[in-house]
Amino acid sequence: KAGVTQTPRYLIKTRGQQVTLSCSPISGHRSVSWYQQTPGQGLQFLFEYFSETQRNKGNFPGRFSGRQFSNSRSEMNVSTLELGDSALYLCASSLGQRLAGGNGYEQYFGPGTRLTVT
Amino acid sequence: DAKTTQPNSMESNEEEPVHLPCNHSTISGTDYIHWYRQLPSQGPEYVIHGLTSNVNNRMASLAIAEDRKSSTLILHRATLRDAAVYYCILQGMGSSNTGKLIFGQGTTLQVKP
Repeated sequence: KAGVTQTPRYLIKTRGQQVTLSCSPISGHRSVSWYQQTPGQGLQFLFEYFSETQRNKGNFPGRFSGRQFSNSRSEMNVSTLELGDSALYLCASSLGQRLAGGNGYEQYFGPGTRLTVT
Repeated sequence: DAKTTQPNSMESNEEEPVHLPCNHSTISGTDYIHWYRQLPSQGPEYVIHGLTSNVNNRMASLAIAEDRKSSTLILHRATLRDAAVYYCILQGMGSSNTGKLIFGQGTTLQVKP
């Protein structure tokens, strides 16, 4: 099975611009979660989508938004970029459903998109 | 969200077993214990998870204390490729927890040749 793919891998934007990041989950996975990783704050949960609906949300401002398509691919958008948005953005996919033995929620991460805001 | 406590760093010699501890004294009855690791310049990687019983898979073993307030990830023979940051995460199975992993600082494992 192909793993989680993210595009683009690297991105440089200017403060005030907006950006859209893409994530293609593992085939058959219906849940996509997004995370932000910075040296200062570590890995922080942004939001999760399951079957085209946002199911959980972290503590990020409304400038951070996302969506999921019927094929489970997901996009994340950040509007009005700030210097502090420079980070590695990771997406992870999972089945998103509880199976026997607590299986079904293990997350498989992509390589990330490195966003630099200047 | 229930909190976990891990040592900041540990060292191991190559081909020796490694025991990575995690304390989670406020764990609830429905929380699963998950371990992920992040190798340099890569996204996190799922390692193993368990609820009450010890678990084994091809990557590692997970030993869970009887009172569930602590657990230990065991790498049976450390290799240089196992050098990574290891995260112990509690994940509830309720709808408010799905797809949401709360990462702490983790344990940075250094493996010496």
